[in-house]
Amino acid sequence: QQQVKQSPQSLIVQKGGISIINCAYENTAFDYFPWYQQFPGKGPALLIAIRPDVSEKKEGRFTISFNKSAKQFSLHIMDSQPGDSATYFCAASQGSNYQLIWGAGTKLIIKP
Amino acid sequence: EADIYQTPRYLVIGTGKKITLECSQTMGHDKMYWYQQDPGMELHLIHYSYGVNSTEKGDLSSESTVSRIRTEHFPLTLESARPSHTSQYLCASSESAGGGNNEQFFGPGTRLTVL
Repeated sequence: QQQVKQSPQSLIVQKGGISIINCAYENTAFDYFPWYQQFPGKGPALLIAIRPDVSEKKEGRFTISFNKSAKQFSLHIMDSQPGDSATYFCAASQGSNYQLIWGAGTKLIIKP
Repeated sequence: EADIYQTPRYLVIGTGKKITLECSQTMGHDKMYWYQQDPGMELHLIHYSYGVNSTEKGDLSSESTVSRIRTEHFPLTLESARPSHTSQYLCASSESAGGGNNEQFFGPGTRLTVL
């Protein structure tokens, strides 16, 4: 019940295309859903996060879509650029007193 | 500038040696974490701390130990390194409770190779 399942494991998208990464969770008590971006040789960094009181959050080319009834959330990267090539992790937590539960990661490659 | 630091960045060591990976943060965060990650792969929580003199084991069984004597410092120690410990070790910190967003800030990592 604590798992966060992330797919796909890897993704190749042409420059200018839309990259979509999906995550599903079971614990309905989760109330914080962040996405982290990790470049090779670096630690992950927060990209964008959402709470379940909204269905969508957009920051520049990055959008989180949240479906509470389906217990799913996804990251959309519009107009994908080679600089977006990285590993993306979704996560979830129940309040700030609890650990982040991490997805397994998606390696995204944007082909020029 | 508030940040989180890890040293060394790279370490190659022989089997049986004792090593300590250093992690310090200047953000005043109460919570700190150690993750083990093979490059580009899943993050595995091995230890965490919610404050001074508080340490807990994470989800992944680890032969390492940690200490939290000062808020800003959270070192990880391996008493006897083995080749199976070869991995990347990431340190992170986050704010304490109180309605915060639970964002974790990561250091650059230590890439450990045990021969």
